Amino acid sequence: DAGVIQSPRHEVTEMGQEVTLRCKPISGHNSLFWYRQTMMRGLELLIYFNNNVPIDDSGMPEDRFSAKMPNASFSTLKIQPSEPRDSAVYFCASSAGGDQETQYFGPGTRLLVL
Amino acid sequence: GNSVTQMEGPVTLSEEAFLTINCTYTATGYPSLFWYVQYPGEGLQLLLKATKADDKGSNKGFEATYRKETTSFHLEKGSVQVSDSAVYFCALSVREYGNKLVFGAGTILRVKS
Repeated sequence: DAGVIQSPRHEVTEMGQEVTLRCKPISGHNSLFWYRQTMMRGLELLIYFNNNVPIDDSGMPEDRFSAKMPNASFSTLKIQPSEPRDSAVYFCASSAGGDQETQYFGPGTRLLVL
Repeated sequence: GNSVTQMEGPVTLSEEAFLTINCTYTATGYPSLFWYVQYPGEGLQLLLKATKADDKGSNKGFEATYRKETTSFHLEKGSVQVSDSAVYFCALSVREYGNKLVFGAGTILRVKS
């Protein structure tokens, strides 16, 4: 079975540019989570969706960040404009209806904003 | 609120040594408890979990027991291997809060041959 798929795996961009991170959850999973990991702050939950609907976006740092889930098999996290402090590893995770507690993580996107 | 505190690392051990990584939690409601492991350059993987008091989660030689009286979920392994070198995260979720995972800061484990 394919796990959670994220793309790109690495992204280097310049300050002010738009960045779009993509995630394909495990087929059949109905919850999707976006996390950010930095040395300073550890793992932070940014937003999560249930059945494609955003449930809690209280972790989204500011208006420059937005996330969408147009269908059950795809989600995006967009940063516009990007800033150097956005440099981090961004993880997507999904979980299934029968076991919402267990989240399966993707390999992450390592973002560097210069 | 809900929070997880785990011992600071890095923890450095020789191969075949006994491992303990301490984890304590604070939760409103009745949490489920988890240990996740992150190998270098990878995402997090569920290592084990326990959903009620006195349950023991186990996997790959690792164990942790849900202790409600001490609000703890310490990770143990009797004999570590070099391949166990990774970052270990303790986490909790509370159904009343939408099963969001709350993670500890992570503990780096280094095992030397």
